[in-house]
Amino acid sequence: GAGVSQSPSNKVTEKGKDVELRCDPISGHTALYWYRQSLGQGLEFLIYFQGNSAPDKSGLPSDRFSAERTGGSVSTLTIQRTQQEDSAVYLCASSLFPGPMNTEAFFGQGTRLTVV
Amino acid sequence: EDKVVQSPLSLVVHEGDTVTLNCSYEVTNFRSLLWYKQEKKAPTFLFMLTSSGIEKKSGRLSSILDKKELSSILNITATQTGDSAIYLCAVEYGNKLVFGAGTILRVKS
Repeated sequence: GAGVSQSPSNKVTEKGKDVELRCDPISGHTALYWYRQSLGQGLEFLIYFQGNSAPDKSGLPSDRFSAERTGGSVSTLTIQRTQQEDSAVYLCASSLFPGPMNTEAFFGQGTRLTVV
Repeated sequence: EDKVVQSPLSLVVHEGDTVTLNCSYEVTNFRSLLWYKQEKKAPTFLFMLTSSGIEKKSGRLSSILDKKELSSILNITATQTGDSAIYLCAVEYGNKLVFGAGTILRVKS
């Protein structure tokens, strides 16, 4: 696609339920990032993929969070047994990094997750 | 621990004022520093800086990198209400892209 696509754009879920967030990066972008942003705050790094592998999972806040990427393209972020503190906007970005030159990351519009 | 720190955390100015936003970093294997503007959900790209002392400019916005001081500034001149946003600094290093917490800028008319 022309840009990074995330779905759903909004998700309201009950505490304790599992949710899946999807990110479809720009075609050909090998690097994919997930970030979380609480209201009025900066971006919190969650996980980074290079192709299908995740060399850096250091930002995942707990073992309830997991992510996978298949075919070097679409990624899903899964949150199990959601808690109210999981409420945030989840942003996905993709880039050619590390490519032949430094390149910017392009962001999706995010998924606003509300846990009630 | 590698980190990216932005200051101030928030700023309120009047239209026409000039603002300077700061970003400092402590990372290994630095590759580049990027500035983004975030108004709603998705941050939009402003500048990428890789070399010290070379100013990047776009309209009323400009930015420069100082690798010796491990910092960058983003200047906005003649601010307008449309400049109100969160300004994010990010540093590419190793195999990561890490963001600072951002500066919340509010421009009052």
